[in-house]
Amino acid sequence: DAKTTQPPSMDCAEGRAANLPCNHSTISGNEYVYWYRQIHSQGPQYIIHGLKNNETNEMASLIITEDRKSSTLILPHATLRDTAVYYCIVRVEGGKLIFGQGTELSVKP
Amino acid sequence: DTAVSQTPKYLVTQMGNDKSIKCEQNLGHDTMYWYKQDSKKFLKIMFSYNNKELIINETVPNRFSPKSPDKAHLNLHINSLELGDSAVYFCASRGPWGSPLHFGNGTRLTVT
Repeated sequence: DAKTTQPPSMDCAEGRAANLPCNHSTISGNEYVYWYRQIHSQGPQYIIHGLKNNETNEMASLIITEDRKSSTLILPHATLRDTAVYYCIVRVEGGKLIFGQGTELSVKP
Repeated sequence: DTAVSQTPKYLVTQMGNDKSIKCEQNLGHDTMYWYKQDSKKFLKIMFSYNNKELIINETVPNRFSPKSPDKAHLNLHINSLELGDSAVYFCASRGPWGSPLHFGNGTRLTVT
C-alpha cells in the first residue's frame, strides 16, 4: 500500500506555477512526506521533503496541511524540462519508501 | 561526480542465464536499496542493506540474491532469468534516518 493518493495526470502552462496535490490521510506522526520526480528513462530524482512545517528549496516548495493529511508540491515557474512523473511518498515503517502511481505532469508551451 | 552509479545501463540476455548488476555509491551512505520498475512503471522495493547487512527483503524470488561486499557497493545477482524479470532495476542509497534516497539511472534488463 502506497499510503498516498495523487491525480494520475495534470497539465501546466510553461512559466506558470504547477501545484501538485497529494493525500496521505493515514500518515503517522513521525512519518515524513517526500517528493520525487522521474523524467523519462532516468532514475527518480529527489525534490523535497518535510514533516510538519512548510519547506522550500531551489527546486520547489512543499505545503503540508496542519492535520498533515495532505500536501501540495509547488513548482513556482514550470518549464518544459519539468515534464515528468511526480511521486508523493510517505516513508513507512522499517525505512521503506513505497512509491504509488504518481502524477504525470505535462508542461505545455 | 556520479553519486550512485549502476552498470551495465542495458542488459539483454536469454532465459535461463545468470546475470549480475553492479551498484556503487560515493556518498558515504550506510544504506543501499534495489528497486524494480516494471512495464507499468510501478517502482517496487526489493532489498535494502545497512552496513552490509540485509534489513529489508520483500517477497522477491530467491533467484535474486543481493551481495554487499562493502557499504559502498550493493550488487544484484539473478539466477535462471525469466521473461518476467524484464524491467528497469534501480539502485539507491540513503544517509541518516529521515534523509532522502539518491537513485542511480537504472539498468534496463531485457530477457528474451
